[in-house]
Amino acid sequence: DAGVIQSPRHEVTEMGQEVTLRCKPISGHDYLFWYRQTMMRGLELLIYFNNNVPIDDSGMPEDRFSAKMPNASFSTLKIQPSEPRDSAVYFCASSPAQGWVSGNTIYFGEGSWLTVV
Amino acid sequence: AQSVAQPEDQVNVAEGNPLTVKCTYSVSGNPYLFWYVQYPNRGLQFLLKYITGDNLVKGSYGFEAEFNKSQTSFHLKKPSALVSDSALYFCAVRDFLRGSGNTGKLIFGQGTTLQVKP
Repeated sequence: DAGVIQSPRHEVTEMGQEVTLRCKPISGHDYLFWYRQTMMRGLELLIYFNNNVPIDDSGMPEDRFSAKMPNASFSTLKIQPSEPRDSAVYFCASSPAQGWVSGNTIYFGEGSWLTVV
Repeated sequence: AQSVAQPEDQVNVAEGNPLTVKCTYSVSGNPYLFWYVQYPNRGLQFLLKYITGDNLVKGSYGFEAEFNKSQTSFHLKKPSALVSDSALYFCAVRDFLRGSGNTGKLIFGQGTTLQVKP
């Protein structure tokens, strides 16, 4: 199993530019999550999907952030326009369908390290 | 609302000594509890989970965790620490909404940095 695959692994961009982060979840997983990690705020859930449908986007910081999941094997997180305070590590994660056996174990990708200058 | 607390920002231990990383939880209903580890510049890796059954749960890399319902704790332990165990450790609990059930997401603590010194 290839695990959750994220791209790019590292991105440096200028303030005001559009940033698109990509994620391929583990095949067969029904849930997909986008998290952001910073020193100041720790690990924050931005948004998550169930069967490609956004369930909870209350963690999305503002309208500059948007996420889509056009199919079961692909999701994007877009920041437009980007600002220096968006600099963080963005993690995509996926988990199988709910059930007491799986216990909602979430599997993380290696992260996209974003720096906005 | 469900929550977890990791009271220590950092834990220091000498190699070969036992280690404990603390976690307490607050949930409605039965808790599903998890530990994850994050090595430098890497994603979070699943270590172990408690769903039901034995209170002592064994996981990856020799780690174990003890579920204590009366103390609402789920501390991570290892009998003999290795320098390579130095990392950031997260405790997490499954989110659950009264009337809606399992939301499918995990709520994470703030993390505890473990430093194991030779």
